Amino acid sequence: QSVLTQPPSVSGAPGQRVTISCTGSSSNIGAGYDVHWYQQLPGTAPKLLIYGNINRPSGVPDRFSGSKSGTSASLAISGLQAEDEADYYCQSYDSSLSGSYVFGTGTKVTVL
Amino acid sequence: QVQLVQSGAEVKKPGASVKVSCKASGYTFTSYGISWVRQAPGQGLEWMGWISAYNGNTNYAQKLQGRVTMTTDTSTSTAYMELRSLRSDDTAVYYCARVAVVSGSFDYWGQGTLVTVSS
Repeated sequence: QSVLTQPPSVSGAPGQRVTISCTGSSSNIGAGYDVHWYQQLPGTAPKLLIYGNINRPSGVPDRFSGSKSGTSASLAISGLQAEDEADYYCQSYDSSLSGSYVFGTGTKVTVL
Repeated sequence: QVQLVQSGAEVKKPGASVKVSCKASGYTFTSYGISWVRQAPGQGLEWMGWISAYNGNTNYAQKLQGRVTMTTDTSTSTAYMELRSLRSDDTAVYYCARVAVVSGSFDYWGQGTLVTVSS
């Protein structure tokens, strides 16, 4: 059902850098719509992590960074910390089906 | 500070309806839209629809059209989501989220409301 594809899981040791990809198509990311990223800690509501492809809301550490190219986007976490263990979702807008917001399939980040 | 506070958990029988509320505070309610997002147990996020708190315009996810209605009450800064003809696969945590004007990101979220559909 999700039109944005993410890897189910990524892992890394504390201090390492991990990246999460978000692959879309010509009707969403490839059409120029912005990509946003959310972090969901266990049992809590999602929290905005990156908006407008590359921007961090106030209070989000600069260890988190976003990028976008063509029909894909990526979230990078550098200096991985134990508290970064969570689910991460990308989100964009899709111009097909009368227009709708769409989420990625989600990625579980595990800190080894 | 911006807050979205949702109503409490619900248990419903198949075929019934549920109405979840989302009370906003800390900002001008009519200056933003509200989206509703649900998450089935162990699953990802699913966008359900959007409503403008300014004029009530709506945009629903195609798979829910005909079963969902989103409304707002500007006098109490509250958004509502009603889902009808409930099925077992509607069991999920339902979230409301404020839609940022410029970016279209969901910048503030409610705490979530668990809706359980069971006979």
